[in-house]
Amino acid sequence: NAGVMQNPRHLVRRRGQEARLRCSPMKGHSHVYWYRQLPEEGLKFMVYLQKENIIDESGMPKERFSAEFPKEGPSILRIQQVVRGDSAAYFCASSPLLATTDTQYFGPGTRLTVL
Amino acid sequence: GESVGLHLPTLSVQEGDNSIINCAYSNSASDYFIWYKQESGKGPQFIIDIRSNMDKRQGQRVTVLLNKTVKHLSLQIAATQPGDSAVYFCAENNAGNMLTFGGGTRLMVKP
Repeated sequence: NAGVMQNPRHLVRRRGQEARLRCSPMKGHSHVYWYRQLPEEGLKFMVYLQKENIIDESGMPKERFSAEFPKEGPSILRIQQVVRGDSAAYFCASSPLLATTDTQYFGPGTRLTVL
Repeated sequence: GESVGLHLPTLSVQEGDNSIINCAYSNSASDYFIWYKQESGKGPQFIIDIRSNMDKRQGQRVTVLLNKTVKHLSLQIAATQPGDSAVYFCAENNAGNMLTFGGGTRLMVKP
């Protein structure tokens, strides 16, 4: 059973470009979460999605950031017009069911560098 | 011993000794807690979890203790090994499925 997969693992963008980060949850998991991690800090929640639905986006910046989890295919975190402050590691996690005691399993992350 | 550096607090232990990593959580309504291990360049790896109706849970070489009175969580690692060197995060689940992570502790195991 493959774990959570993320790609690309490393992404370099120039200021003003768009960044697209992909996440494929573990098999059988229908809930996806995105977190951001700055160096030497803990992970910060961004958004929680189920298939075709955004459940909680309270951690998403109001502008330039969007996320989706279509019926088919991976979840996408999209950052438009990137700025240097967007440089961070972005982690995706998945869980099987809606319950607060469902463990979230993390992918290896995408490290975004904005030049 | 334990020290606070410029960034993450660091705990240095001798190989074979026991390690104790502490975490204070913020929300008394949190009902589920998890410890994650993160190695350099990798994603957080689940270690052990505990629900709020328990005060202790044991796994293989690891034990988590929960003190709800003072909102404190600890992770004990028995017979610490070099492979245990990593950053350890506690996380609490208190609002839907959003995890709130603590600041992390770097564990360094000296041979």
